[in-house]
Amino acid sequence: DAGITQSPRYKITETGRQVTLMCHQTWSHSYMFWYRQDLGHGLRLIYYSAAADITDKGEVPDGYVVSRSKTENFPLTLESATRSQTSVYFCASSEGDRVYNEQFFGPGTRLTVL
Amino acid sequence: GQNIDQPTEMTATEGAIVQINCTYQTSGFNGLFWYQQHAGEAPTFLSYNVLDGLEEKGRFSSFLSRSKGYSYLLLKELQMKDSASYLCASTDSNYQLIWGAGTKLIIKP
Repeated sequence: DAGITQSPRYKITETGRQVTLMCHQTWSHSYMFWYRQDLGHGLRLIYYSAAADITDKGEVPDGYVVSRSKTENFPLTLESATRSQTSVYFCASSEGDRVYNEQFFGPGTRLTVL
Repeated sequence: GQNIDQPTEMTATEGAIVQINCTYQTSGFNGLFWYQQHAGEAPTFLSYNVLDGLEEKGRFSSFLSRSKGYSYLLLKELQMKDSASYLCASTDSNYQLIWGAGTKLIIKP
């Protein structure tokens, strides 16, 4: 499918478990982003990547790890999940060499940590 | 600090006009975005303003005043499908977007 996809769409896990959220885009966009969205807060940037093998921290990176070995994939790993990481996670991508371009969002992953 | 403020919720009537305001304070401003997000769905791009003034795109228009740190989204001829949250986001000097918490727009028949 063309576009940006995320998997799984829903995930329930337990405190302390490792969880990986997947993100795949078919546009060859250079920039990719991970956000979390919580009630009462705006989208908050966790990590972003300007290109393969280039990643950088966003506003709330603690407890998360990312990698980008291929342009099209940008997985997000919670190394030891905590209840405070219960949230909806959105992956996004944008084309071009500037972060100010329109961002295209995936459908989101709703994660619950028990 | 960096801050984006927008009303939490607004209600309007089908066929009417509504204006959603956004004020921002960011360290390195390079433009302001508006996104629409229906409940349970992903945000989708509506507009990007970097220069002062009004930009019109069909039923939706977006205005920016850089000197006042102020923007608004104007929706005309409201339809039930416009019921959604509207997210304002400002760019900062770290090449990141700072997002407001969103304005939930409720359209009544």
